[in-house]
Amino acid sequence: QSALTQPPSASASPGQSVTISCTGTSSDFGVYNYVSWYQQHPGKAPKLMIYEVTKRPSGVPDRFSGSKSGNTASLTVSGLQPEDEADYYCSSYAGSNNLGVFGGGTRLTVL
Amino acid sequence: QVQVQESGPGLVKPSETLSLTCTVSGDSVSNFHWSWIRQSAGKGLEWIGRSYIDENINYNPAFKSRVTMSVDTSKNQFSLKLRSVTAADTAVYYCARVRGGFALDIWGQGTMVTVSS
Repeated sequence: QSALTQPPSASASPGQSVTISCTGTSSDFGVYNYVSWYQQHPGKAPKLMIYEVTKRPSGVPDRFSGSKSGNTASLTVSGLQPEDEADYYCSSYAGSNNLGVFGGGTRLTVL
Repeated sequence: QVQVQESGPGLVKPSETLSLTCTVSGDSVSNFHWSWIRQSAGKGLEWIGRSYIDENINYNPAFKSRVTMSVDTSKNQFSLKLRSVTAADTAVYYCARVRGGFALDIWGQGTMVTVSS
């Protein structure tokens, strides 16, 4: 079960936008739009921010948006705020094992 | 409001079995799929398995020979057993609800398990 590939770090200044990528194999992304994104602050449990590529759970600001093109999914955070500084993980349906798989995580720094 | 809470020993000896329970409140454990995920210090998230009323249980191949998950509808709980643990199994273990699209929408606070003699 291979992990999804994310850049280890990303950064931007408050008010700016940042995009985090998540690259998988076709077996992860090709058939199903089952990509999720999670935000994790230090010492806290992950929080679901995006599911099914583009959908936001209730309570998640619309500054967070998701997209997918081919084998790469992306999370964009617009109008960055200091509290957005966290680790972000993508996840996708892994197909053959009927389970999910996570990316390695991206640490977002708000400069 | 649905909540999940992990419980179990924080210290397990090498070669023994790690046993954790996740208690669900605010909803029936029969209504959803549930998962265990772990996170080693300074590392990313690792999906261990997914279960639904003891049916259609799916395990990560990396754990498959050592792991058992089960659901107890009478107690509204689901559980994880990981056999023959080593120091590499030291991690924070989370339980979570699986919604459609394999999204994990409700997470427990996590429980730290250390494998050490």
